[in-house]
Amino acid sequence: QQQVKQSPQSLIVQKGGISIINCAYENTAFDYFPWYQQFPGKGPALLIAIRPDVSEKKEGRFTISFNKSAKQFSLHIMDSQPGDSATYFCAASWGGTGNKLTFGGGTRVLVKP
Amino acid sequence: DAGVIQSPRHEVTEMGQEVTLRCKPISGHNSLFWYRQTMMRGLELLIYFNNNVPIDDSGMPEDRFSAKMPNASFSTLKIQPSEPRDSAVYFCASRAALVDTEAFFGQGTRLTVV
Repeated sequence: QQQVKQSPQSLIVQKGGISIINCAYENTAFDYFPWYQQFPGKGPALLIAIRPDVSEKKEGRFTISFNKSAKQFSLHIMDSQPGDSATYFCAASWGGTGNKLTFGGGTRVLVKP
Repeated sequence: DAGVIQSPRHEVTEMGQEVTLRCKPISGHNSLFWYRQTMMRGLELLIYFNNNVPIDDSGMPEDRFSAKMPNASFSTLKIQPSEPRDSAVYFCASRAALVDTEAFFGQGTRLTVV
């Protein structure tokens, strides 16, 4: 079931630093790539998403970079803050699976003050 | 809308007992998903429904697990009999019919089987 592989499993970064999380997928039919953020005791919530017709999308301090030929995409968190400490999941879906979202394994990010 | 509503938030049960988890999706959403989250296996998709019809239940661990969606506003995930290895957080999520739309997750049910 692991069609989306995520790395690293955990990440520690100093406040103000850059957090980078990478994901790779296998199914070339995927056409929607969201990132979800999860805080302890909460359900995952959409952070930012991208379609494969663009190579980059930025929302505030969060940027998705997408490399279609390599079948990889990544999340960059600029100027990381302690409030960004959470677990981040990449995911992928396509219409042929009836909207099924396939998630990566998750990355636990800890931002030290 | 209050979002995806799951109940109960916490459930502690003894091995062998039946457990029923409940979910109310966001009104108007056509897809409903049940996920299980553990430290070891991350977020696993158990089953999902489109328009109340089960589409893919290949993630259901075994016959002890069953899910129903009798109408557009309610779904259940049942475990019978429950086992300690079923202990996890179970999430329900719903999504509109379009591909590039957000999936909204509930708060989850933390199940502990002792």
